[in-house]
Amino acid sequence: AQSVTQLGSHVSVSEGALVLLRCNYSSSVPPYLFWYVQYPNQGLQLLLKYTTGATLVKGINGFEAEFKKSETSFHLTKPSAHMSDAAEYFCAVRGTNAGKSTFGDGTTLTVKP
Amino acid sequence: KAGVTQTPRYLIKTRGQQVTLSCSPISGHRSVSWYQQTPGQGLQFLFEYFSETQRNKGNFPGRFSGRQFSNSRSEMNVSTLELGDSALYLCASSLDRLAENNEQFFGPGTRLTVL
Repeated sequence: AQSVTQLGSHVSVSEGALVLLRCNYSSSVPPYLFWYVQYPNQGLQLLLKYTTGATLVKGINGFEAEFKKSETSFHLTKPSAHMSDAAEYFCAVRGTNAGKSTFGDGTTLTVKP
Repeated sequence: KAGVTQTPRYLIKTRGQQVTLSCSPISGHRSVSWYQQTPGQGLQFLFEYFSETQRNKGNFPGRFSGRQFSNSRSEMNVSTLELGDSALYLCASSLDRLAENNEQFFGPGTRLTVL
């Protein structure tokens, strides 16, 4: 069974500041990990994914995440926040049951001017 | 290539009615999964279809059902609607079931309101 915990339901940063959204996972099998972004009244858009290989994963819009097996973490970062980054972010884990993703509760990112 | 489309985008029903939602996956994708998103429960997996067969099911009552057609299009049905069924229903498609290749692409969702 897999599960995901996102630490902090709301994160607020100033424009230009570092964005750090935290995600810890639990999985009985090697996990596949994902970060999605959701804008109001829209579906989910994939930001980045970790399957195998390099543990530092780069995604779209300047986001990246590092898979740390020892810490069971997959935190999302962006060096400099932009107003357009304001949205809700979801971390998800998928195991060998390929059709099912388990999502965290989401983190709402607010970017202050 | 067109993305995942869901129809209708918005739906208002009353308690006791039934509803059918439709999802057209990306061309060539054979796996379709459905999720329910609510403020209280977050994103919860409903079921997955692959090659017209339900492969996996979440923890939802039997009022929730689905099917997949030979062209991979999928429908989900909710019977005897309850107020708690009000949610955003998201469909996701992926190429196949192998996890490494299985990036899920989400549609915009159908917003169901039950009065």
